Amino acid sequence: DGGITQSPKYLFRKEGQNVTLSCEQNLNHDAMYWYRQDPGQGLRLIYYSQIVNDFQKGDIAEGYSVSREKKESFPLTVTSAQKNPTAFYLCASSRGTFSQPQHFGDGTRLSIL
Amino acid sequence: ILNVEQSPQSLHVQEGDSTNFTCSFPSSNFYALHWYRWETAKSPKALFVMTLNGDEKKKGRISATLNTKEGYSYLYIKGSQPEDSATYLCASAVGVGSSNTGKLIFGQGTTLQVKP
Repeated sequence: DGGITQSPKYLFRKEGQNVTLSCEQNLNHDAMYWYRQDPGQGLRLIYYSQIVNDFQKGDIAEGYSVSREKKESFPLTVTSAQKNPTAFYLCASSRGTFSQPQHFGDGTRLSIL
Repeated sequence: ILNVEQSPQSLHVQEGDSTNFTCSFPSSNFYALHWYRWETAKSPKALFVMTLNGDEKKKGRISATLNTKEGYSYLYIKGSQPEDSATYLCASAVGVGSSNTGKLIFGQGTTLQVKP
């Protein structure tokens, strides 16, 4: 089945540690996105990429980094500069234009030890 | 940052009731309005993508309307069933220049609970 795979489902980070969340898609979509969800808030965009080797900051990019070396993959690194990383992270992909819906993974829940 | 507002924040209805939610978004530079359904322990799934003023879309018992001039969209559920229980998200598209690509700004969602 085509879809988006996020791993791991749960992740724990120690203070001062960088962690990387994986997102892979086999939908042949050009665009990929990372969102963060906190309780009582909507999805907030961290980074997005419309094409391989290019990405743009979203609304809350500070403390995060991404890469897009392959069309299928868009990993997100939560760096030690992100002071409040505990949240639920969702990855999505789409064909790229606004008339196309986004397809989401199952998410990764990140917690601080 | 654009503000996309959804109301109500939560809703409890009885099985068989019909219900509706509202999504408000900035009407200037409109590109598209998306609706998603997010069930517990699952990933959000697209319901509708609407681009034209006056658009009406329907999928089974769920339908949506769009008014881009005044900046709102309604989502209707006719004869709610327990399996309709979920969080419903709307999102407005923000373009990059004159391009029809860019990012979505999501509302905080409306959580619907349908009691049998």
